Amino acid sequence: KQEVTQIPAALSVPEGENLVLNCSFTDSAIYNLQWFRQDPGKGLTSLLLIQSSQREQTSGRLNASLDKSSGRSTLYIAASQPGDSATYLCAVDITGGGNKLTFGTGTQLKVEL
Amino acid sequence: GAVVSQHPSWVICKSGTSVKIECRSLDFQATTMFWYRQFPKQSLMLMATSNEGSKATYEQGVEKDKFLINHASLTLSTLTVTSAHPEDSSFYICSARDPAGDMVSNEQFFGPGTRLTVL
Repeated sequence: KQEVTQIPAALSVPEGENLVLNCSFTDSAIYNLQWFRQDPGKGLTSLLLIQSSQREQTSGRLNASLDKSSGRSTLYIAASQPGDSATYLCAVDITGGGNKLTFGTGTQLKVEL
Repeated sequence: GAVVSQHPSWVICKSGTSVKIECRSLDFQATTMFWYRQFPKQSLMLMATSNEGSKATYEQGVEKDKFLINHASLTLSTLTVTSAHPEDSSFYICSARDPAGDMVSNEQFFGPGTRLTVL
């Protein structure tokens, strides 16, 4: 059974700092991995999707990397801003799993002024 | 990107009543939709996979008679929580994949969620 873990569970940083969020998964047979942002009481905003054949994806200040063999992905946020404060979730789509996503435990990020 | 909507965005009901939540794909047809549940300070857990024109597939531990799913059209799936109890209070989120979209990425698009509170 695929298990997805995110470290740290919570993170507080000053504005402007670069930071890295970690996601690990136990079964490397994934089809893709997605990073999402969730604001309190809200739905999910898709940030980046990395296919299994890709190593990284970039969007603005965000960069996500994927190392399938080691079961890890990182989300790098450059020059963090207070507006980046949210919970970040990673999710994996298992190969042959019928497109079902398994979500990680989430990292709650707070960027302080 | 593809847009998925949910209705209502929040609902409060009395214990023992049934509540229906709608999930719509607004600009694409979705043969498959997914229903997730999220308890406070926890991650999303897949409840069931909704297939257009056929029975839903439920994850282990999810009662199919309590959480009725109907996917009667290519743009609408409904989740009915029957005889709701306070422990069913949660955030319910649906997602859908656009089969005519990016066939390689398999990306899912998520609705904004429905907050259910059972008194």
